[in-house]
Amino acid sequence: SQQGEEDPQALSIQEGENATMNCSYKTSINNLQWYRQNSGRGLVHLILIRSNEREKHSGRLRVTLDTSKKSSSLLITASRAADTASYFCATSPQDNQGGKLIFGQGTELSVKP
Amino acid sequence: DAGITQSPRHKVTETGTPVTLRCHQTENHRYMYWYRQDPGHGLRLIHYSYGVKDTDKGEVSDGYSVSRSKTEDFLLTLESATSSQTSVYFCAISASRNTGELFFGEGSRLTVL
Repeated sequence: SQQGEEDPQALSIQEGENATMNCSYKTSINNLQWYRQNSGRGLVHLILIRSNEREKHSGRLRVTLDTSKKSSSLLITASRAADTASYFCATSPQDNQGGKLIFGQGTELSVKP
Repeated sequence: DAGITQSPRHKVTETGTPVTLRCHQTENHRYMYWYRQDPGHGLRLIHYSYGVKDTDKGEVSDGYSVSRSKTEDFLLTLESATSSQTSVYFCAISASRNTGELFFGEGSRLTVL
């Protein structure tokens, strides 16, 4: 079963607006990561937040992590049409062997110009 | 961009035929992974490798086998392809088990008729 569940499955906004995506997971983790996937392409790593961190920023991205609720959110501020993509959260389980990640089903973001 | 090459990028085959997908990396990373991506399921781990000749199963390994005889190559084999294995297959690599950041290839789209 999938470790991460993302919400919403799809999100459509106007350029300039903020986009928020949420991720919930089931077991204890070492870290949680967010990836982006443009249509027809491979996934690209965006940001990693460790289990002892609560918030992290990278450019227009802000990630929060609440380990007590087993949830995370990704905020993209001042969105651009080029942000249109699918976004996936991925967790590194605490009992991880081999460094594998478990992915959620993704949020499809559409930013309209 | 991480040096990851998947081949073939597209393949159409018939039920019952064997298929091998190749992942080649030039980064000398220890960890390599095969995921499949299907609508509604996100990415699911098939097999992974934590060194030459060291492999382990992921959550959807039935019907698949892997081999890693060299650091740079990780092969995924479908011994007898079925229509349920129609999917997009992604190879990923990682340098560190603990960091867990993955670098993805561009994907191999497999259609089994």
